Amino acid sequence: AQSVTQPDIHITVSEGASLELRCNYSYGATPYLFWYVQSPGQGLQLLLKYFSGDTLVQGIKGFEAEFKRSQSSFNLRKPSVHWSDAAEYFCAVGPGTWGNEKLTFGTGTRLTIIP
Amino acid sequence: DGGITQSPKYLFRKEGQNVTLSCEQNLNHDAMYWYRQDPGQGLRLIYYSQIVNDFQKGDIAEGYSVSREKKESFPLTVTSAQKNPTAFYLCASSSPGQGRTGELFFGEGSRLTVL
Repeated sequence: AQSVTQPDIHITVSEGASLELRCNYSYGATPYLFWYVQSPGQGLQLLLKYFSGDTLVQGIKGFEAEFKRSQSSFNLRKPSVHWSDAAEYFCAVGPGTWGNEKLTFGTGTRLTIIP
Repeated sequence: DGGITQSPKYLFRKEGQNVTLSCEQNLNHDAMYWYRQDPGQGLRLIYYSQIVNDFQKGDIAEGYSVSREKKESFPLTVTSAQKNPTAFYLCASSSPGQGRTGELFFGEGSRLTVL
C-alpha cells in the first residue's frame, strides 16, 4: 500500500530564511508526487507535481521540490520565505493512472514564519 | 470563474441526525472526491466518483453516503451511523488526462460540529 510520511509536524523559520520540508513515500512503482498548501480554514492548492523526467521540479510561489528515488523522498524547498508562506503543507503520492487518482496524503507540516 | 463550491461552510448537528454537505463544480471535471480532515491526520478519502452514476468507497466510507446524479454535483450525507462526525470536510474534483493527472482542485471546505 502507498504511504506518505512527513516527519515534521511544525516548523518555524524566520522571514527571509531558507526552507526545506521533508516528505518520504512508500510506493511499489514509479510514483506521482505532489505538494499542496492549505491556508487556515481553506481548501488545498497544488504547489507542484512530479510525474517523470527532471527530478527537480518548479512550482508556484517560488517553491521547488527534488525527487530522490534512492531515498524515497520528495522534499519541498524555498530559498527565502515570506510571511505569506505561513500555512500547512501536504505531500501526496498517487498512482497517476488515468482515471484513477486516489491520492494518499501525509499528515502535513505546519509552517510558522517569524519576523 | 470556474471552481468548486461547498455549502454550508459551517454546520452544527445534534447526535442522531443525518446531514448533507453540498459540493458543486463548474470545471467540467469528470472525477469528484470527498476527503475528511482531522488535526494531525491529514486528509483521508471517504468516497470518490469517476463518472456520473458511479462511485467507489474510499478508506473511511463507513457512516457516509454519496450520490452522483449530475456531473456537476457530488453531495455527501453524514449519517447517524458515523461515530465521530465532527471534522472538516473537503470536496475536490479533477480532470484525468491532458497532463493533469492527480491535480485535484479543492473547495473551501465545510466544518461539521456535532453537539
